[in-house]
Amino acid sequence: DTEVTQTPKHLVMGMTNKKSLKCEQHMGHRAMYWYKQKAKKPPELMFVYSYEKLSINESVPSRFSPECPNSSLLNLHLHALQPEDSALYLCASSQGGGADYGYTFGSGTRLTVV
Amino acid sequence: AQSVSQHNHHVILSEAASLELGCNYSYGGTVNLFWYVQYPGQHLQLLLKYFSGDPLVKGIKGFEAEFIKSKFSFNLRKPSVQWSDTAEYFCAATRSGAGSYQLTFGKGTKLSVIP
Repeated sequence: DTEVTQTPKHLVMGMTNKKSLKCEQHMGHRAMYWYKQKAKKPPELMFVYSYEKLSINESVPSRFSPECPNSSLLNLHLHALQPEDSALYLCASSQGGGADYGYTFGSGTRLTVV
Repeated sequence: AQSVSQHNHHVILSEAASLELGCNYSYGGTVNLFWYVQYPGQHLQLLLKYFSGDPLVKGIKGFEAEFIKSKFSFNLRKPSVQWSDTAEYFCAATRSGAGSYQLTFGKGTKLSVIP
């Protein structure tokens, strides 16, 4: 299995909703990442988990809450989002707890906040 | 500060034309370099990567890239493009070594191939 699986593929939520994005990989990678990508822009790093511990939080608003229940799963909990949070949310993983070998990206969740 | 620059915002080519997309990086120390492709509506896929050794790296789908340390460059090339190569191309870099989590992307180059 050489994939990163993200669910759901599409999500529409209101500004008062609570929802979660899920990410799963079974490649034995020990680092997992959340990226946000706006249209026609490069991905922007949000969070890094290394060996199930939060290593990097790139000053992301608290309405985004990451969780890493185990080495294969990564969640992103969403609450009280704003319309400007609408974007493609990408999960990625890498070997050895670092980015040396490049990332494997999931297909993303396209989020629309209404 | 670490940065990756891609010179071309949008490149338009006819099928069978040769392609070269520019990428320059600004990093202290040893770097690892990558090219990713994102087809319309799809996720990022790794085209090729450079860590060390032969500076000419061959990737998937007939792409190659050359690492020129003196120029801080890692340009992507393909001798003959196809319509199916229409996509967004991102150059990316990270510092070598354990604990290097930050993969820095360039702004991307949109490639449009005209049949």
